[in-house]
Amino acid sequence: DAGVIQSPRHEVTEMGQEVTLRCKPISGHDYLFWYRQTMMRGLELLIYFNNNVPIDDSGMPEDRFSAKMPNASFSTLKIQPSEPRDSAVYFCASSRQGWNYEQYFGPGTRLTVT
Amino acid sequence: AQSVSQHNHHVILSEAASLELGCNYSYGGTVNLFWYVQYPGQHLQLLLKYFSGDPLVKGIKGFEAEFIKSKFSFNLRKPSVQWSDTAEYFCAVNTDKLIFGTGTRLQVFP
Repeated sequence: DAGVIQSPRHEVTEMGQEVTLRCKPISGHDYLFWYRQTMMRGLELLIYFNNNVPIDDSGMPEDRFSAKMPNASFSTLKIQPSEPRDSAVYFCASSRQGWNYEQYFGPGTRLTVT
Repeated sequence: AQSVSQHNHHVILSEAASLELGCNYSYGGTVNLFWYVQYPGQHLQLLLKYFSGDPLVKGIKGFEAEFIKSKFSFNLRKPSVQWSDTAEYFCAVNTDKLIFGTGTRLQVFP
């Protein structure tokens, strides 16, 4: 298995632009998680899906952030408009059956907003 | 609110030294506990986990962790570190969702 795949690996954009991050979970995993990692706040859960349905988006910082999972093999995290404080590493993770199971993380997308 | 504390933000050791990284959590109910590791430039990987049973858990690469319920702790240990253990280590607690600590950066010098 190729593991969790994320694209792009690096993204540099200007403030105000739309950014879309992509994730392909491991086949057969029912749960998908989006995390954000910063020096100041560590690793924070943004949102997670179960069987393509968003379950908890309480970690999404504000309305500029949105996430979708149109099918079991693809999810997007969109920021519109982007701001410099959104600069972080965004990780996607998947697991077979939720919190009690190991989460497999993707390599992350390093986002820089100038 | 549930929280996870990792008091050691940055640890520097020489090879062969012993390691103990602290992890404390605040939650009164049943918890599942994890340690994840992030090697430089790589993604997070599971090091070990505790769900129930023997509170001393063995993980990969010679790591172990002990769950002490009375102290709300799940400290990570390794008797003799190697240069290749240089990484960031995250403690995580599962209540109704997985909450990560802020991480401990470990640097091991030859």
